[in-house]
Amino acid sequence: EVHLVESGGGLVRPGGSLRLSCVASGFSFSNYGMNWVRQAPGKGLEWVSSIDRDSVFPFYGESVKGRFTISRDNANDSLFLHMTNLRPEDTGFYFCARADWREPWGQGTLVTVSS
Amino acid sequence: QSVLTQPPSMSGAPGQRATISCTGGTSNIGAGYDVQWYQQVPGKAPRLLIYSYKNRPSGVPDRFSGSRSATSASLTITNLQAEDEADYYCQSHDRSLSGAVFGGGTRLTVL
Repeated sequence: EVHLVESGGGLVRPGGSLRLSCVASGFSFSNYGMNWVRQAPGKGLEWVSSIDRDSVFPFYGESVKGRFTISRDNANDSLFLHMTNLRPEDTGFYFCARADWREPWGQGTLVTVSS
Repeated sequence: QSVLTQPPSMSGAPGQRATISCTGGTSNIGAGYDVQWYQQVPGKAPRLLIYSYKNRPSGVPDRFSGSRSATSASLTITNLQAEDEADYYCQSHDRSLSGAVFGGGTRLTVL
């Protein structure tokens, strides 16, 4: 059974940084691209970033381009999202998901950007 | 403004059928990219209902079905039940944006 567990969220001041992690199990992590998706409070889902299995092709949504960096560690079945210059509008739950979208997501980790 | 367009809200009585539409364009659904559907109850993570237009993960009742035509997709829920009251999102890939795109979500109310 596929499991994705996100962590690393918390309260951070505007302009601050945070690093999110997603640990995968139940499938061969190194064979799949991965995504980050977020959801602001009371709002819809927004794709944030994706990375291929070999870390060659990272892609970003316009709202986070230049501020967020996606990376992965295939040896430890882990996906990361390094977020810098955080803004209040980055507040929300962050989920990781497999790139083929055929498996359940994790439960998410909450990021709150506030002074 | 979401790339994929869904009706903001729908309602139906128990036992009835509800169909939620998801309209895209030639760079996403119309380009042949898969469409997924998610159900989200307030306070919970999204739950995968349908992947690749019409496939159900194990554990999803066959009351839920998906279809596609040209640049749109639909989620049909038959025999509506109170527990189906939730937000529903469609999702695909957009080649112009080089990333995933979501519909704005449809809040389904079971009367």
